[in-house]
Amino acid sequence: AQTVTQSQPEMSVQEAETVTLSCTYDTSESDYYLFWYKQPPSRQMILVIRQEAYKQQNATENRFSVNFQKAAKSFSLKISDSQLGDAAMYFCASDSWGKLQFGAGTQVVVTP
Amino acid sequence: DAGVTQSPTHLIKTRGQHVTLRCSPISGHKSVSWYQQVLGQGPQFIFQYYEKEERGRGNFPDRFSARQFPNYSSELNVNALLLGDSALYLCASSLVGGSGNQPQHFGDGTRLSIL
Repeated sequence: AQTVTQSQPEMSVQEAETVTLSCTYDTSESDYYLFWYKQPPSRQMILVIRQEAYKQQNATENRFSVNFQKAAKSFSLKISDSQLGDAAMYFCASDSWGKLQFGAGTQVVVTP
Repeated sequence: DAGVTQSPTHLIKTRGQHVTLRCSPISGHKSVSWYQQVLGQGPQFIFQYYEKEERGRGNFPDRFSARQFPNYSSELNVNALLLGDSALYLCASSLVGGSGNQPQHFGDGTRLSIL
């Protein structure tokens, strides 16, 4: 069974600053994928970034990057140069054979 | 290209009724998954279908059922609705099922309210 834990219900960041969201997971799979999804008030779940567990290099997508610590089962998301449009609920998720297991989410608030 | 489309957007039902939610995947995607998102929580996996066959089922009662059609669209059916079924129901599609190498793309969801 998979479990995903996000321990930060809410994080606040000023525009142009950096914020890091924490995520820990547990899985019995040897090969798996990890994701960060963003859900704005419009409800649609948007894929932010993906990490393949067998790759040691941390994934990066523009201002978004992850710190993947496989031994510690940790998968944090860093948002650099935060923008007002980054305000949303962020979900960490693990994938096992196409079944996504989500954490409880972290609300990111961006202040001008 | 159109994304994942879900209908209806909102739905209000009463306890004991039946509901059908619909989903059209991105063109070329053959796998559809359904998730339930209760207010304030992360989505919970309900079903995955690939090539019209059920490939996975989450911890939901038999009141929940689904199917996938030859055009890869899908329906989620819920019988004997309970107040606890009130949630946002999300549909996601991917090229193939059972692989995180092909990420899932989500629709806007159907907001179901049970009175």
